[in-house]
Amino acid sequence: AQSVTQLDSQVPVFEEAPVELRCNYSSSVSVYLFWYVQYPNQGLQLLLKYLSGSTLVKGINGFEAEFNKSQTSFHLRKPSVHISDTAEYFCAVSDSTGFGNEKLTFGTGTRLTIIP
Amino acid sequence: GAGVSQSPSNKVTEKGKDVELRCDPISGHTALYWYRQRLGQGLEFLIYFQGNSAPDKSGLPSDRFSAERTGESVSTLTIQRTQQEDSAVYLCASRLKGQNYGYTFGSGTRLTVV
Repeated sequence: AQSVTQLDSQVPVFEEAPVELRCNYSSSVSVYLFWYVQYPNQGLQLLLKYLSGSTLVKGINGFEAEFNKSQTSFHLRKPSVHISDTAEYFCAVSDSTGFGNEKLTFGTGTRLTIIP
Repeated sequence: GAGVSQSPSNKVTEKGKDVELRCDPISGHTALYWYRQRLGQGLEFLIYFQGNSAPDKSGLPSDRFSAERTGESVSTLTIQRTQQEDSAVYLCASRLKGQNYGYTFGSGTRLTVV
């Protein structure tokens, strides 16, 4: 079984400032890691994913995340945010062994608010 | 289809009534998942289909909830005798078997029980 912790439920950031959204996970097996974004009144959109290889993953809209196996973390970063980044961000994991049902387990989300 | 389609997009129902939510996955996607998102909360897993069988129903919150799937196509989630705590957005996702990273989500059905 897996679990995901997003410690920050809300993060206010000034426009053009950098941001980091934290995600820690727990799993007894190897995992894939994901960040999804949900804009107001819209569905979930995949920002980026870590499957294997380089631990630094780049996604859409200038976001990137770094997989740290020893710290079981997958923090999301952006060097300079825009008003349009205001949204809810969800970290998720799935079993990568191929023996599970590969369902996604989500964190509770972080609401990113950009202040003009 | 090009994406995962869910209907209706919004549903308001009276407490005690039954509701049926529909999900049309991407053609060829054998795996299908239902999730629930309550206001201000994360997504809760409800049920997983592989083809028309459901090997994992562990997330269904009570026996008022049931789901079925026709072959590798449409799935319906049925909630009987709805309660106010059932109010949420119900999301469906599908993926190809073996590609356990290529999930595509629908836009969801917003259910309001009054």
